[in-house]
Amino acid sequence: DAGVIQSPRHEVTEMGQEVTLRCKPISGHDYLFWYRQTMMRGLELLIYFNNNVPIDDSGMPEDRFSAKMPNASFSTLKIQPSEPRDSAVYFCASTEALPSGANVLTFGAGSRLTVL
Amino acid sequence: GNSVTQMEGPVTLSEEAFLTINCTYTATGYPSLFWYVQYPGEGLQLLLKATKADDKGSNKGFEATYRKETTSFHLEKGSVQVSDSAVYFCALSRGGADGLTFGKGTHLIIQP
Repeated sequence: DAGVIQSPRHEVTEMGQEVTLRCKPISGHDYLFWYRQTMMRGLELLIYFNNNVPIDDSGMPEDRFSAKMPNASFSTLKIQPSEPRDSAVYFCASTEALPSGANVLTFGAGSRLTVL
Repeated sequence: GNSVTQMEGPVTLSEEAFLTINCTYTATGYPSLFWYVQYPGEGLQLLLKATKADDKGSNKGFEATYRKETTSFHLEKGSVQVSDSAVYFCALSRGGADGLTFGKGTHLIIQP
């Protein structure tokens, strides 16, 4: 398996523009997570899905952020409109459901977003 | 709620030095504990894990022991290499469908 695949790897945009980040999880993984990484706040869980259904979106910072998972092999994180404070690295991760609960997440390489 | 506290960095060591990165946690129940490593420009990779008290996780010369009495999971390595330079994250999971709760990360720099 190629692992968790994210695109784009880098995105530079201007304030007010719409940004769409994409993720392809590992085949067979039932859970998908979106994290945001910044110097100030570290890694923050934004939202996660189980079998394509959003389970917990309490980490989504504002209504400007939305995430979807239309099928088991694809998820998007959208920011509209984008603001400079959204600049961060966004990671997608996936895991299979383990009976022991010791979830081992496999992370993608991340999408570095810069909003000017 | 759950939280993970790890020592601030950067931590700078010479090659072949002994490494300890401290990690303590707060959680209800009996979480699983993890160390992840992030090399420059890459995503996080699992380094090691422990799922119950007194378990020792180990990988690539790194070790960490799950200490319930002190709620700690310190990362150690006896002799570090330049290639160990990276950011190390301590994390916990309460299991089930939860995602991981991460510490803020410790940037490790190994000088030749």
